[in-house]
Amino acid sequence: AQSVTQLGSHVSVSEGALVLLRCNYSSSVPPYLFWYVQYPNQGLQLLLKYTTGATLVKGINGFEAEFKKSETSFHLTKPSAHMSDAAEYFCAVGSQGNLIFGKGTKLSVKP
Amino acid sequence: NAGVMQNPRHLVRRRGQEARLRCSPMKGHSHVYWYRQLPEEGLKFMVYLQKENIIDESGMPKERFSAEFPKEGPSILRIQQVVRGDSAAYFCASSPVGTLTQPQHFGDGTRLSIL
Repeated sequence: AQSVTQLGSHVSVSEGALVLLRCNYSSSVPPYLFWYVQYPNQGLQLLLKYTTGATLVKGINGFEAEFKKSETSFHLTKPSAHMSDAAEYFCAVGSQGNLIFGKGTKLSVKP
Repeated sequence: NAGVMQNPRHLVRRRGQEARLRCSPMKGHSHVYWYRQLPEEGLKFMVYLQKENIIDESGMPKERFSAEFPKEGPSILRIQQVVRGDSAAYFCASSPVGTLTQPQHFGDGTRLSIL
């Protein structure tokens, strides 16, 4: 069975500060890992994904995530937050077809 | 180059009525996934379909819910005799393959409200 835990349902940062959103997963098989972003009343947009290969993955909008097998983590980071980054972020794990999502982290960015 | 199209965007039903949610996948995608998002929750997998076939329905409630993806036309998620607990956002995703080597692309969802 697979599962995802996102630590912190709400994270608030100041504009220009580091963004760190935490994601830990559980999987008995090599996982595929994803981060999606959801803006209000919209669907999910893919930020980045890890399938195989390089463990540091770069995505859109300056985000990146590092797959750490020993820590079963896939934390999302961005060096400098923008106001436009305010949204809800979902970490997801899968191995075959369907995705297992975390409960999401709402990111607020203060001016 | 349209993405995944879902309609309607908002749907209001009274208890006991039927709800039909439609999803047209991206061009060239033959794999469709339905997810449900309850308030303050992440998305939960419901069903995975490929053209004319249900591949995995392990997340579907046993009663009142059904899904199809006909040879022609959109995928339909059907909820019969809706109850208040069915109020949620329902998202459809599509992919060109049935594995996660290619990411799933999501529509904007249908927000279902039950009066």
